[in-house]
Amino acid sequence: KAGVTQTPRYLIKTRGQQVTLSCSPISGHRSVSWYQQTPGQGLQFLFEYFSETQRNKGNFPGRFSGRQFSNSRSEMNVSTLELGDSALYLCASSRVVSYNEQFFGPGTRLTVL
Amino acid sequence: QQPVQSPQAVILREGEDAVINCSSSKALYSVHWYRQKHGEAPVFLMILLKGGEQKGHEKISASFNEKKQQSSLYLTASQLSYSGTYFCGTEEYAGNMLTFGGGTRLMVKP
Repeated sequence: KAGVTQTPRYLIKTRGQQVTLSCSPISGHRSVSWYQQTPGQGLQFLFEYFSETQRNKGNFPGRFSGRQFSNSRSEMNVSTLELGDSALYLCASSRVVSYNEQFFGPGTRLTVL
Repeated sequence: QQPVQSPQAVILREGEDAVINCSSSKALYSVHWYRQKHGEAPVFLMILLKGGEQKGHEKISASFNEKKQQSSLYLTASQLSYSGTYFCGTEEYAGNMLTFGGGTRLMVKP
């Protein structure tokens, strides 16, 4: 079956702009989690959605937001971009929350100039 | 709080064994292990649950010491394909978010 897809794969923005990233989970998966990966900070949890509800939120400023649609597709938005937001943003889906393997997408590489 | 992984990096020859450790300062419900190859997405290896239950790939073995909040991943008879960065993720309670460690870079040489 098709894996997790993320669009776009690469993005270049300037400081102050906003960006929306999209994630389509594996068919039948209802949980979607977002992570920010940088060389210095590793994999950091942003938020998790299950059945359109945010279940968990990491320690990121309010400029980072997300949502999930009824078909389980998810989007994350970053407003007022800062240079430090440059990172690989990974989305992962799983069938249910907890004790379940997560399937990661290829990520969106965001560069903020 | 982020779990601590050790070592940060390790170089092996094919056929050698390695152990990667993951330690948390908090009581844990589960520990998850993932491997990420350069330029690729992380791939699931194993989940270990408080109480002894676990699931994952047959060729991967790991342990979870609940009292010490530590987990170890055992890589035996390493192959070139084992190269990559290994991450442990910890869950403090069922349904909690996964907090990942800083990763362990493993390089297997011929």
